[in-house]
Amino acid sequence: GNSVTQMEGPVTLSEEAFLTINCTYTATGYPSLFWYVQYPGEGLQLLLKATKADDKGSNKGFEATYRKETTSFHLEKGSVQVSDSAVYFCALRRQTGANNLFFGTGTRLTVIP
Amino acid sequence: DAGVIQSPRHEVTEMGQEVTLRCKPISGHDYLFWYRQTMMRGLELLIYFNNNVPIDDSGMPEDRFSAKMPNASFSTLKIQPSEPRDSAVYFCASSLFGTAGQPQHFGDGTRLSIL
Repeated sequence: GNSVTQMEGPVTLSEEAFLTINCTYTATGYPSLFWYVQYPGEGLQLLLKATKADDKGSNKGFEATYRKETTSFHLEKGSVQVSDSAVYFCALRRQTGANNLFFGTGTRLTVIP
Repeated sequence: DAGVIQSPRHEVTEMGQEVTLRCKPISGHDYLFWYRQTMMRGLELLIYFNNNVPIDDSGMPEDRFSAKMPNASFSTLKIQPSEPRDSAVYFCASSLFGTAGQPQHFGDGTRLSIL
C-alpha cells in the first residue's frame, strides 16, 4: 500500500542551526511528494513539492530531493529561524488514480533564540 | 484568489447536539476532502468527493457522521448526535485533479469542542 513514515518529534533547535526532518515512503511507481507546514492555529500550507525522481523542491530556504533509490524525501534547511517553528508534514500522492494524499504523522519543530 | 473557506472557525456545543461544519472550496477545483486532526491520532482523512460525488468515506468514524456536497461550491460535514470524543480540528481541503503534483489547498479549520 501507500504510506509515509516521518521522523518522530518534537525537534528543538537553536536559531541558525541546520535542520533535517526525515521522510520515507512506500508506493508503487512514481508518486508525487510534498512537504506541508502548519503554523499554530492555521491550516496546512504547501511548502514544497517534487513530482519525479531527482527533482528538488525548494521554498523559503527549505529543500527536499526526491530520491527514488532510497524512497526518501528528507526536508532540510541550512539555518532555521524562530519563525520556522511549526509542524511539518510529509505527504505523497499516487502516480495514478485519485489524488488523495497520504500524510505522515507530522514533526513538530521548535526553534529557540 | 480566495482560498478554501471554512465556517465556523470555532464551535462549542453540548454533547448530543447536532453540529454542522461548512466548507467552500476554491472555485474550479474538482476534489474536496474532509480531515480531522487530534493530538492522539494526528491527521485523518474522513471522506473525499470528486465532482460532488463521494468517492471514499471509509474514514468516517461512525454513522453519526455524514457529509454532503450539493454543488461544486459547498460542502457540509454533520455530526448528529455529537459526543465529547468528536472534539478536534476539522479541515476541509480542495484540489484540481490535473497532472501529477497538484497540491491540496487547506482551509484554516474548525475547532470543535463538545462539552
